[in-house]
Amino acid sequence: EADIYQTPRYLVIGTGKKITLECSQTMGHDKMYWYQQDPGMELHLIHYSYGVNSTEKGDLSSESTVSRIRTEHFPLTLESARPSHTSQYLCASSGDRDTDTQYFGPGTRLTVL
Amino acid sequence: GQNIDQPTEMTATEGAIVQINCTYQTSGFNGLFWYQQHAGEAPTFLSYNVLDGLEEKGRFSSFLSRSKGYSYLLLKELQMKDSASYLCAALDSNYQLIWGAGTKLIIKP
Repeated sequence: EADIYQTPRYLVIGTGKKITLECSQTMGHDKMYWYQQDPGMELHLIHYSYGVNSTEKGDLSSESTVSRIRTEHFPLTLESARPSHTSQYLCASSGDRDTDTQYFGPGTRLTVL
Repeated sequence: GQNIDQPTEMTATEGAIVQINCTYQTSGFNGLFWYQQHAGEAPTFLSYNVLDGLEEKGRFSSFLSRSKGYSYLLLKELQMKDSASYLCAALDSNYQLIWGAGTKLIIKP
């Protein structure tokens, strides 16, 4: 199972602030993903990466950006947070050639006031 | 379009057996996943099926029928800690994971 970490676990900030959610994995997985999930609702893919210098937008329109300068690191940035960004953000990675199983970090619960 | 259907909520009794069904429609198919997600936590991987048939892992089993676009997760000897949402997800031809909305399983004593 992948070791994947997210910081911070909880964040409460004011509207208009710039924030970066960190995600790191130690399994050398090429693929990484960011999902947004509201309580009791389904997962929505907002960004993904197939490797270093590769980033793609997912199905859910998002005002966030990502970067992938190192294999193990996939940070997500919100330039100007709004209350509508309040949600849980989940990072995942996959690297199994046979199954492409995604393994999730613990998530960051973001509240924008 | 691509779609995953699973029941929104199910209730079962501690010690019993429950089957959670999932039907999928995807552009191509490269496997079917089941994840467990406790409230407020991240999903954790339970099973992966790519060939027809039943895969058993302890109290949990997962079944796949590719011709029918159908899978189920079978949970035996239910415990209170099995109360969670169970997410079905299918891997399409582009290796994109299509997620269902999840089935919330409530276990009663």
